[in-house]
Amino acid sequence: GQQLNQSPQSMFIQEGEDVSMNCTSSSIFNTWLWYKQDPGEGPVLLIALYKAGELTSNGRLTAQFGITRKDSFLNISASIPSDVGIYFCAGRPYTASKLTFGTGTRLQVTL
Amino acid sequence: NAGVTQTPKFQVLKTGQSMTLQCAQDMNHEYMSWYRQDPGMGLRLIHYSVGAGITDQGEVPNGYNVSRSTTEDFPLRLLSAAPSQTSVYFCASSYGAGELFFGEGSRLTVL
Repeated sequence: GQQLNQSPQSMFIQEGEDVSMNCTSSSIFNTWLWYKQDPGEGPVLLIALYKAGELTSNGRLTAQFGITRKDSFLNISASIPSDVGIYFCAGRPYTASKLTFGTGTRLQVTL
Repeated sequence: NAGVTQTPKFQVLKTGQSMTLQCAQDMNHEYMSWYRQDPGMGLRLIHYSVGAGITDQGEVPNGYNVSRSTTEDFPLRLLSAAPSQTSVYFCASSYGAGELFFGEGSRLTVL
């Protein structure tokens, strides 16, 4: 099956710090999506990317579609307590219609 | 705007029992899917449907059945529940196989 590696698995940061996480795939993707999941809730879409090299922002969040089409990055600037949750990347390769999800990055923010 | 609605939110079953997890969306989405979420495993695709009358298997289909008689509904059936099916189940829908919108999840425990 499709391999999609997400790192880091978890992060403990202080409020105000910037955060970076990434996903890499074993094959080329034509879509990258980033989701956030709050405890007890379903994942919510943060950013969608459709072109290699694309850089998209949503408030303090910025995501990029890697030039190689095999990776994507999510950055969060000036973290706040409500950023706590699990962040998932998801991608769709050219050869399939279904999304594949990463295993998630669990973010904890301390005051 | 309800979005994707899942019922029940919580369920406890005994091994061998059967049940149906309900999923309904009011966004006229063609694509619907079921995922299960287990610790450290991310979101794994169980079954999906690209339209009424069309279903297909995902990554982990064994032990589950689905049907799609209408655009709005996509129930997931467990014919004979096993402890390995203890998980959180998410239904998701989209216009295509891209930006998925998730329900709040159904938490199933099989004893």
